[in-house]
Amino acid sequence: GAGVSQSPSNKVTEKGKDVELRCDPISGHTALYWYRQSLGQGLEFLIYFQGNSAPDKSGLPSDRFSAERTGGSVSTLTIQRTQQEDSAVYLCASRPLAGVIDHEQYFGPGTRLTVT
Amino acid sequence: GDSVTQMEGPVTLSEEAFLTINCTYTATGYPSLFWYVQYPGEGLQLLLKATKADDKGSNKGFEATYRKETTSFHLEKGSVQVSDSAVYFCALSDGWKAAGNKLTFGGGTRVLVKP
Repeated sequence: GAGVSQSPSNKVTEKGKDVELRCDPISGHTALYWYRQSLGQGLEFLIYFQGNSAPDKSGLPSDRFSAERTGGSVSTLTIQRTQQEDSAVYLCASRPLAGVIDHEQYFGPGTRLTVT
Repeated sequence: GDSVTQMEGPVTLSEEAFLTINCTYTATGYPSLFWYVQYPGEGLQLLLKATKADDKGSNKGFEATYRKETTSFHLEKGSVQVSDSAVYFCALSDGWKAAGNKLTFGGGTRVLVKP
């Protein structure tokens, strides 16, 4: 079946511009996560959605970052006024049911963001 | 907070050599432990996992045992192949905490297997 998909696969933007990154989780997965993979910081958690509950935003690095999940499915990560340190690969993952320890997270291929 | 430390790479080996990648963690509570692998040009995928102390995860000839007494989850493979060349990430999830099992990753270890 279809895995987690992300778009675009690559994004080059100028410093100060806003960008939107999209994630389509596996159908039926209730939990959705965003992570960031960068040279300086490794792989770090950004935000987590579970169903219709309020998201866990504890990993977002600044208020320029926000995310939403519409209808419990597709998610969009928005970065406002991008900075060069935002350059990274942004990974999305989904999971059948959060809180059940035996369910793995399935990762998408990522969006490579380059801020010039 | 939770953290994962793994040996830095790159690790360069010859085919059929023994591979060990050390991983230690700090966490409150009872985390689940994972090894994820990222092959060149591909996304992250789960290699193996262990959800409680003394559990052994295994897959594709790789093994790792959840050692609570040493807070470790070292990855081993007895005979590596060129196709095992990849970046390996040790990770933990916060288990039964309310926050939904987000993953905390180690820095990754690049492994290069030469024929």
